[in-house]
Amino acid sequence: GQNIDQPTEMTATEGAIVQINCTYQTSGFNGLFWYQQHAGEAPTFLSYNVLDGLEEKGRFSSFLSRSKGYSYLLLKELQMKDSASYLCAVSDLYSGAGSYQLTFGKGTKLSVIP
Amino acid sequence: EADIYQTPRYLVIGTGKKITLECSQTMGHDKMYWYQQDPGMELHLIHYSYGVNSTEKGDLSSESTVSRIRTEHFPLTLESARPSHTSQYLCASRQDTEAFFGQGTRLTVV
Repeated sequence: GQNIDQPTEMTATEGAIVQINCTYQTSGFNGLFWYQQHAGEAPTFLSYNVLDGLEEKGRFSSFLSRSKGYSYLLLKELQMKDSASYLCAVSDLYSGAGSYQLTFGKGTKLSVIP
Repeated sequence: EADIYQTPRYLVIGTGKKITLECSQTMGHDKMYWYQQDPGMELHLIHYSYGVNSTEKGDLSSESTVSRIRTEHFPLTLESARPSHTSQYLCASRQDTEAFFGQGTRLTVV
């Protein structure tokens, strides 16, 4: 199984940069996803990392270090609409059936203030 | 853009009823997942499938069953609904580097 850890809450100022960390422990790592979820809505896919390094997509970037079991999501030029929960999810090879579970952390609630 | 659909979006049913929540995707993804999420809480994996005729139970036992007869279709059935089943049910599909969610079904059992 997996043990995925994220901070529960964060607050940042509009226009600033914020980094949301995620640590994980897994035996058959097969990639890490980041999602944004607004209250009452379904999660929206943001990024996927399977190799070490930084992936950039506009204002959002995601970093992975497999040896450290660590990832972060970096949000630049924060906007009020970025207030949401950010979910880290780890894909883990389930060796019993050759399939891949996708397990989520508890999420980080980000509040962007003026 | 994700082509994954859930029906119904909202459902209110009585205790003891049998219900099926539908999930379909047109992306040809092999892997599909069902999650349960209460408001403000984390997602719990209920069931997942890695292809036709292959399903596995997740960490949360929700007294539900699934089937995967066709790649695009992954329905979730509750044989006898209880008030404790009141929650949001989210379906997702994945192929390699992308994984998308449907809009969810908000279920209320009275």
